[in-house]
Amino acid sequence: EPEVTQTPSHQVTQMGQEVILRCVPISNHLYFYWYRQILGQKVEFLVSFYNNEISEKSEIFDDQFSVERPDGSNFTLKIRSTKLEDSAMYFCASSSEGLHYEQYFGPGTRLTVT
Amino acid sequence: LAKTTQPISMDSYEGQEVNITCSHNNIATNDYITWYQQFPSQGPRFIIQGYKTKVTNEVASLFIPADRKSSTLSLPRVSLSDTAVYYCLVGLRNSGNTPLVFGKGTRLSVIA
Repeated sequence: EPEVTQTPSHQVTQMGQEVILRCVPISNHLYFYWYRQILGQKVEFLVSFYNNEISEKSEIFDDQFSVERPDGSNFTLKIRSTKLEDSAMYFCASSSEGLHYEQYFGPGTRLTVT
Repeated sequence: LAKTTQPISMDSYEGQEVNITCSHNNIATNDYITWYQQFPSQGPRFIIQGYKTKVTNEVASLFIPADRKSSTLSLPRVSLSDTAVYYCLVGLRNSGNTPLVFGKGTRLSVIA
């Protein structure tokens, strides 16, 4: 069964450093998403991406965040200058045409900012 | 997006059937009802989706009454591995790339 993969599984970084979280969505999917979940809290939407551009983004997704699909398989989330409050699980998801409510999530990257 | 309400937590013994009900009084005509499951430290996983009456797959059943103002996720004969958080979401099935909006979900604890 195809699955979304994410690397690394755990990233520790110092405040102010840049991090790039990587995702490989399911190959024939067209819609890509990033969500995050702070420990003990709800899963929160960050950004959606379609046709090589951002479709929608939340208030959390400020100028410190950016996304990119550098090639035909990877989808990345960059945080330019990490803050302590960026510590969370970051999930990548993808969905196929017209079935956005059936999103497939990756296993997540646990980001710890010290 | 229709607001959903579901119990914060439920306990069950192994082998029992578990029913989790979600209220969505403001569901729109074209909205679908979707349930996700999340194990600790993992991403949410799509379980089942329906529009009306009953939908069944290898994991669960989804019961939706005629007025569609609520829905019930039924897990037959739960095991310890079904311990997870279950989320009910309501929205258009194919509205492009509208993001999923997760609530707090229902934390199901299965006891041996």
